[in-house]
Amino acid sequence: DAKTTQPNSMESNEEEPVHLPCNHSTISGTDYIHWYRQLPSQGPEYVIHGLTSNVNNRMASLAIAEDRKSSTLILHRATLRDAAVYYCIPTSIIQGAQKLVFGQGTRLTINP
Amino acid sequence: DTGVSQDPRHKITKRGQNVTFRCDPISEHNRLYWYRQTLGQGPEFLTYFQNEAQLEKSRLLSDRFSAERPKGSFSTLEIQRTEQGDSAMYLCASSLGLAGIRNEQFFGPGTRLTVL
Repeated sequence: DAKTTQPNSMESNEEEPVHLPCNHSTISGTDYIHWYRQLPSQGPEYVIHGLTSNVNNRMASLAIAEDRKSSTLILHRATLRDAAVYYCIPTSIIQGAQKLVFGQGTRLTINP
Repeated sequence: DTGVSQDPRHKITKRGQNVTFRCDPISEHNRLYWYRQTLGQGPEFLTYFQNEAQLEKSRLLSDRFSAERPKGSFSTLEIQRTEQGDSAMYLCASSLGLAGIRNEQFFGPGTRLTVL
């Protein structure tokens, strides 16, 4: 399993952009980069994933470095509801989705 | 609500008792996963099923733990002779399980176990 490094915590203000970094220098060429988040007292929820090129969806954008050793999750305008723990998880694309290996994640605090 | 459901949401038991948790996945999902999460930590993988077959078990899953998924639908996780160290949130997730396609896991709300 690829090892990931994320800051333990980050803080931002409501309606401002947030950039959550993740280092995954040992990622395999067949690993997608998944991001999940866990709101307080809830199970994790999928945010976004990508392989090589940048990705956008209604929740966030994912910027992947050219060497794939790092990625950044971008929340364009943070709301209070975005306060959560964010996990960056390399996941093999072979044989479909298998287990998710969660690290410590980044606890994001949003100030009103 | 057509999401993943878990029952019960909370369970308090005494050390040495057996407990069983149930997970109902999203109906068309082939894969079902169990994770355990202790306070302040990320979830840890326990086991997963492809339909009714249990394909992988973590070393965390001691002999006191057993999981089943009869008929490839709902799943149960049983812990025998509970210990205080089993106190945790037990999370269930499901996914389509198809290679190369958007394949995110959908998580239930979890069952919080407290062993006294």
